[in-house]
Amino acid sequence: RKEVEQDPGPFNVPEGATVAFNCTYSNSASQSFFWYRQDCRKEPKLLMSVYSSGNEDGRFTAQLNRASQYISLLIRDSKLSDSATYLCVVNRGAGNMLTFGGGTRLMVKP
Amino acid sequence: EAGVVQSPRYKIIEKKQPVAFWCNPISGHNTLYWYLQNLGQGPELLIRYENEEAVDDSQLPKDRFSAERLKGVDSTLKIQPAELGDSAVYLCASSLNSGGNGGELFFGEGSRLTVL
Repeated sequence: RKEVEQDPGPFNVPEGATVAFNCTYSNSASQSFFWYRQDCRKEPKLLMSVYSSGNEDGRFTAQLNRASQYISLLIRDSKLSDSATYLCVVNRGAGNMLTFGGGTRLMVKP
Repeated sequence: EAGVVQSPRYKIIEKKQPVAFWCNPISGHNTLYWYLQNLGQGPELLIRYENEEAVDDSQLPKDRFSAERLKGVDSTLKIQPAELGDSAVYLCASSLNSGGNGGELFFGEGSRLTVL
């Protein structure tokens, strides 16, 4: 079993739709969590951190459920520019011991 | 401010040949990482440096891969000899801190290797 698992998609949605991605992690000692975004043939970039209480950044909402070892990302009012691969990232311990999930591909259509 | 710089961007070699990738991290970033990314998959850590010390190289195939970080700044990743299965994108990343809950990783554009 992979340490961080994501549905690879692709998720094909129309503009304006709301879409949610899920991620599960296996190491219960994991301490911090992130979502990275990767455009086609580009490098990954930090989208947002995920906090225990849940957090929002504009149209993006991230949530964490430590009991279920589950992380989610919700995108409201999808834009064409949101088309990308979204990578769930888990920090296994103190320091940057980051493990990436396989990514979920999102395609927003006009 | 300059980001993480990698070279070469693209490299095509025949199997059994050697290849080397170079990375210059963001100035002041003490932590440097090499990741491997296959098509349609997430990045997988090969090695992590804290300054000049390799603190996590458990996923580095040491029979053919080697890495070094001279003076705790630039780093090189070498494959010798390359195999067909090594075709992938090799990503270098750096971060400012390594303690606590971790910091943001800044990635270079990657070096795309094709082994024929």
